[in-house]
Amino acid sequence: AQTVTQSQPEMSVQEAETVTLSCTYDTSESDYYLFWYKQPPSRQMILVIRQEAYKQQNATENRFSVNFQKAAKSFSLKISDSQLGDAAMYFCAFADSGGGADGLTFGKGTHLIIQP
Amino acid sequence: GAGVSQSPRYKVAKRGQDVALRCDPISGHVSLFWYQQALGQGPEFLTYFQNEAQLDKSGLPSDRFFAERPEGSVSTLKIQRTQQEDSAVYLCASSPLTVARPQHFGDGTRLSIL
Repeated sequence: AQTVTQSQPEMSVQEAETVTLSCTYDTSESDYYLFWYKQPPSRQMILVIRQEAYKQQNATENRFSVNFQKAAKSFSLKISDSQLGDAAMYFCAFADSGGGADGLTFGKGTHLIIQP
Repeated sequence: GAGVSQSPRYKVAKRGQDVALRCDPISGHVSLFWYQQALGQGPEFLTYFQNEAQLDKSGLPSDRFFAERPEGSVSTLKIQRTQQEDSAVYLCASSPLTVARPQHFGDGTRLSIL
């Protein structure tokens, strides 16, 4: 079974600065997918960014980028130029490469606070 | 609809009552997932449907939990004889059947058992 660990229950950053959220995972699979989801108080899980394990290049989506270290089983999220709207719970999630039949395995989340 | 729709948004029930939670996935999405999210935790997988077939129900915590998707579209999660530990947010997600699938989530139903 896979496990996902987010060791930072809460992080705080000044508006316009950069923050990095940590995530490590454990799996025996060689091919899999990793995701970061954002959950604001409205509860909807919003996909922020995803990474295919077979790709060495780190994924980037505008102000969001990841540092994927496959050997270390690490998948951190960097948010640049933090904005007030980035405040939310952030969840790291794992999915293996099976044909769609697998639920996501989530970490416990990191509460991101943006200081104005 | 444009996104995954769940209803009701909030549900309060007395212990021992049965409840039914509805999920209307994105049109055309063949995969549908249910998750349970306890307060302060990440979501945990409950069950998975591919069209009308329930292919994985390994995450259902007890036989009081039952899910169906009879026509391969709308799904219902039913909890019988509710207990206080069933209090949680129940999230539904759908995805197209592709390898590189992201799952699209609804807003969830917050269930409170008194």
